[in-house]
Amino acid sequence: DGGITQSPKYLFRKEGQNVTLSCEQNLNHDAMYWYRQDPGQGLRLIYYSQIVNDFQKGDIAEGYSVSREKKESFPLTVTSAQKNPTAFYLCASSTYSNQPQHFGDGTRLSIL
Amino acid sequence: RKEVEQDPGPFNVPEGATVAFNCTYSNSASQSFFWYRQDCRKEPKLLMSVYSSGNEDGRFTAQLNRASQYISLLIRDSKLSDSATYLCVVTLYSNASKIIFGSGTRLSIQP
Repeated sequence: DGGITQSPKYLFRKEGQNVTLSCEQNLNHDAMYWYRQDPGQGLRLIYYSQIVNDFQKGDIAEGYSVSREKKESFPLTVTSAQKNPTAFYLCASSTYSNQPQHFGDGTRLSIL
Repeated sequence: RKEVEQDPGPFNVPEGATVAFNCTYSNSASQSFFWYRQDCRKEPKLLMSVYSSGNEDGRFTAQLNRASQYISLLIRDSKLSDSATYLCVVTLYSNASKIIFGSGTRLSIQP
């Protein structure tokens, strides 16, 4: 089955620690995205990538980093510089940037 | 003014009723429009794209009004399983940084 896989489903971060969230898709989509969702809020764009080896900052990129070395993979690192990392993180992909996005089932990140 | 605005609700509607909600957008250059459904603590799932001529998928009808800059979603014969948060999404043509999600409208269907 084609889809987007995010892992882990739950993640706990210690203070000062960097953590990496995985996102893999086998839909052959060019565009991939990372969003953050806080309780009762909408989605906010962290980073996006329209092609391999290229990515752009979204609205709330500070404290986060990404890479796009392979078409199917777009990992997100939450660095220690992100002081309020507790949120629901969603990865998505689409054929082109103005096409509907397909989402993974998310990673919930909490601080220990 | 927010780029995309939705009434947060909740809309409490009896089973079988018809319910409609709107989503307004501020940028007249917006090109693509979608409705997503998000269940509690789950990922958003595409419900339907919204076309200029309006489109229907079973009990769901989506419409676009470019002159007044809003999209709408109508649900007929509502089911308990329709209870969810409905997100509208507006994109600017080929600009991935301008994919704007509304904060969502919460719908609760009452038995």
